[in-house]
Amino acid sequence: SQQGEEDPQALSIQEGENATMNCSYKTSINNLQWYRQNSGRGLVHLILIRSNEREKHSGRLRVTLDTSKKSSSLLITASRAADTASYFCATLGIGNEKLTFGTGTRLTIIP
Amino acid sequence: DARVTQTPRHKVTEMGQEVTMRCQPILGHNTVFWYRQTMMQGLELLAYFRNRAPLDDSGMPKDRFSAEMPDATLATLKIQPSEPRDSAVYFCASGLTRGHQPQHFGDGTRLSIL
Repeated sequence: SQQGEEDPQALSIQEGENATMNCSYKTSINNLQWYRQNSGRGLVHLILIRSNEREKHSGRLRVTLDTSKKSSSLLITASRAADTASYFCATLGIGNEKLTFGTGTRLTIIP
Repeated sequence: DARVTQTPRHKVTEMGQEVTMRCQPILGHNTVFWYRQTMMQGLELLAYFRNRAPLDDSGMPKDRFSAEMPDATLATLKIQPSEPRDSAVYFCASGLTRGHQPQHFGDGTRLSIL
């Protein structure tokens, strides 16, 4: 079963624009991770944010976490055609060792 | 760059046949995960191992699926007998110690059961 729900399911934007994806989850977490999946490939880890962190940056990526709302957002700034992929959030529950993946957002960057 | 290697990348077979998928985790990683991805169910955890010992296979249909780690460099997932509903992409991932660490995924085995 999936804990995370991503919103929107699909997003198309022009190259150079910013892309924002949201993730909601149901139970308390230890950390939340974002992964990218290119077509026909495996998932690639992008960034991890711990439950006691509110914001984290990595290059053009910015992740926020609001544990009171059980939600996270991933912002990709100055998008590029190579950012076209599906993006998944994954949560690690407290006392758990297994990641639970969301449903994913399919991002298309239009050149 | 160290990578998780999965073989075969594609497999098409008839229902009732045995299917074996293999995974070579990243050297030094002590935790190995098997996932299944479908359009309907998304990404589901089937089983995982730590230091070659199975820790959880509750996501796996017990009657037809089995997962093993014969040694630290090889994990296998077998389906016998296979059914059309097993058609999916199967991913192996490896990582260090606990789930606090990111998982590194292979490129998957795309399985089609006719």
